[in-house]
Amino acid sequence: NAGVMQNPRHLVRRRGQEARLRCSPMKGHSHVYWYRQLPEEGLKFMVYLQKENIIDESGMPKERFSAEFPKEGPSILRIQQVVRGDSAAYFCASSRREGRTDTQYFGPGTRLTVL
Amino acid sequence: GENVEQHPSTLSVQEGDSAVIKCTYSDSASNYFPWYKQELGKRPQLIIDIRSNVGEKKDQRIAVTLNKTAKHFSLHITETQPEDSAVYFCAASKGSSASKIIFGSGTRLSIRP
Repeated sequence: NAGVMQNPRHLVRRRGQEARLRCSPMKGHSHVYWYRQLPEEGLKFMVYLQKENIIDESGMPKERFSAEFPKEGPSILRIQQVVRGDSAAYFCASSRREGRTDTQYFGPGTRLTVL
Repeated sequence: GENVEQHPSTLSVQEGDSAVIKCTYSDSASNYFPWYKQELGKRPQLIIDIRSNVGEKKDQRIAVTLNKTAKHFSLHITETQPEDSAVYFCAASKGSSASKIIFGSGTRLSIRP
């Protein structure tokens, strides 16, 4: 039973390039959440998606960041025109959300470094 | 807005002693409180969670308590071991509705041999 998968695990981009981070939820999970973690800091919520729907994007920066979770394939967090401040670990989590089951299981993260 | 405060930010205890981490939350609609452990360079892993219909939950050396009136919840680790060294995050969520998890800022726990 594979857990939450993320790729790539490490991503290096130069300022101005685009970064695409992928997340495949656990089998049977249809809800995906993205979090950002700066060095030595906590996890900050970014966005919550179901298949083909954005449920809550209150934590997403207004510009350059977007997320999707298509009917087929992984969820993608896209950062356009990256800047040094985007360097962080980006974690996704998935949950089943049947009834009151809210437990979120995290993937291994993608560590983005912007040069 | 929603906020979760966590104390202390760092905690050092002697191996075998107990460790206590405390959190408060601001949104009275929160009803689900997970705790995550994150080792250096690794993903956060759920270690225990509690829902608002209970006041305490225990799993071997780990226990959580919840005081809904005061909007406080705590993590207790007894008989600490070196492998307990990590960063611990408390969190709060509204649970049944479409909800995000709001995390505390984390506690770096070090176990002294």
